[in-house]
Amino acid sequence: QKEVEQNSGPLSVPEGAIASLNCTYSDRGSQSFFWYRQYSGKSPELIMSIYSNGDKEDGRFTAQLNKASQYVSLLIRDSQPSDSATYLCAVGGGNTDKLIFGTGTRLQVFP
Amino acid sequence: NAGVTQTPKFRILKIGQSMTLQCAQDMNHNYMYWYRQDPGMGLKLIYYSVGAGITDKGEVPNGYNVSRSTTEDFPLRLELAAPSQTSVYFCATCGQGITEAFFGQGTRLTVV
Repeated sequence: QKEVEQNSGPLSVPEGAIASLNCTYSDRGSQSFFWYRQYSGKSPELIMSIYSNGDKEDGRFTAQLNKASQYVSLLIRDSQPSDSATYLCAVGGGNTDKLIFGTGTRLQVFP
Repeated sequence: NAGVTQTPKFRILKIGQSMTLQCAQDMNHNYMYWYRQDPGMGLKLIYYSVGAGITDKGEVPNGYNVSRSTTEDFPLRLELAAPSQTSVYFCATCGQGITEAFFGQGTRLTVV
């Protein structure tokens, strides 16, 4: 079982719609959860961090964490073509000091 | 502040050659990570360090070595380059407790 799993996509949504990205992880002791956005040829950039169960909202982005189900998600409201990128889920802490990334989900927002 | 600086940005190596990818940070972070990213894939952890003198293997350490003699620097060494090591390499740092990770601009390495 991979430590951090994501659907590779592509996930295609129309402009203005809600995009929903999902991630599961295997280390039950993990404590830090992140969503990064990566444009082609660029470095990952942090969108959201979440450390406790529940929802965390920042502008058009909402991260949701459910530690019992070992599940973290990212909702993007009012999706824009500029949101088209690969979204990487990352999980850290727990039994080690590793920061492990999933394979990423490619999001395409069409006009 | 420069943040996280990686050098070089691009490099072509011949099979069997060796090289060191440099990573330097001025954020006073203890945690540093090396990742590789193959086309269309996520980031795979090669090695990481939680402080000077401490290093540990990640998911794909074979063919690589690291050292951490100072807080600021975390070089990645390739001893005998192989075509399978063609990839983009990212260095990242974060604070204690694994808070937000800051990335360098990456090194694009081609082994021919």
